[in-house]
Amino acid sequence: QKEVEQNSGPLSVPEGAIASLNCTYSDRGSQSFFWYRQYSGKSPELIMFIYSNGDKEDGRFTAQLNKASQYVSLLIRDSQPSDSATYLCAVSGVGSSGSARQLTFGSGTQLTVLP
Amino acid sequence: DTEVTQTPKHLVMGMTNKKSLKCEQHMGHRAMYWYKQKAKKPPELMFVYSYEKLSINESVPSRFSPECPNSSLLNLHLHALQPEDSALYLCASSQDGLSNNEQFFGPGTRLTVL
Repeated sequence: QKEVEQNSGPLSVPEGAIASLNCTYSDRGSQSFFWYRQYSGKSPELIMFIYSNGDKEDGRFTAQLNKASQYVSLLIRDSQPSDSATYLCAVSGVGSSGSARQLTFGSGTQLTVLP
Repeated sequence: DTEVTQTPKHLVMGMTNKKSLKCEQHMGHRAMYWYKQKAKKPPELMFVYSYEKLSINESVPSRFSPECPNSSLLNLHLHALQPEDSALYLCASSQDGLSNNEQFFGPGTRLTVL
């Protein structure tokens, strides 16, 4: 059973602070890692993806991947109230049928940025 | 155009009704997905179409019937649903279903079964 674990939160940070979101996964064969942001009542929006060990930066967002530790994280710098949402970690691997790749989602971390 | 569209946005149906959800993408993607999402839960994969062929069916009840008429369109036919099927139904697409491509989600259809 492939598992993706996230701290469910809620996580609260003050405006301007760094928000750190963490995710671990069980399948060592996983190759691609994604972070989605989901506002209440809306669909998931892809904000970051990472394939290689190390850091990947895009604006205020940094994704970090450590395959040896099976750990992926998302840092949000200079957090804004508009960043308040649920953040879903997703890991790509081969489906149970051995055919098309599919995403396994964590349960999500609810982030609140306090003004 | 990096958009996946879904219609309708909201749907209310009785347990004896037959309805269809529609999804469309014009990104040239060859993999399309249906997910079901209940409140405060992550999306659950239902079906995957890769190159217009059904490649994954995650043990979904037969009251849900997917259809992929062409590479841009994906339908989900609904019949004899139960109240517990009420959820947000999400369509997604990716470049193909064979490599580690990112998936892009549509806005979803909020389904209520009475």
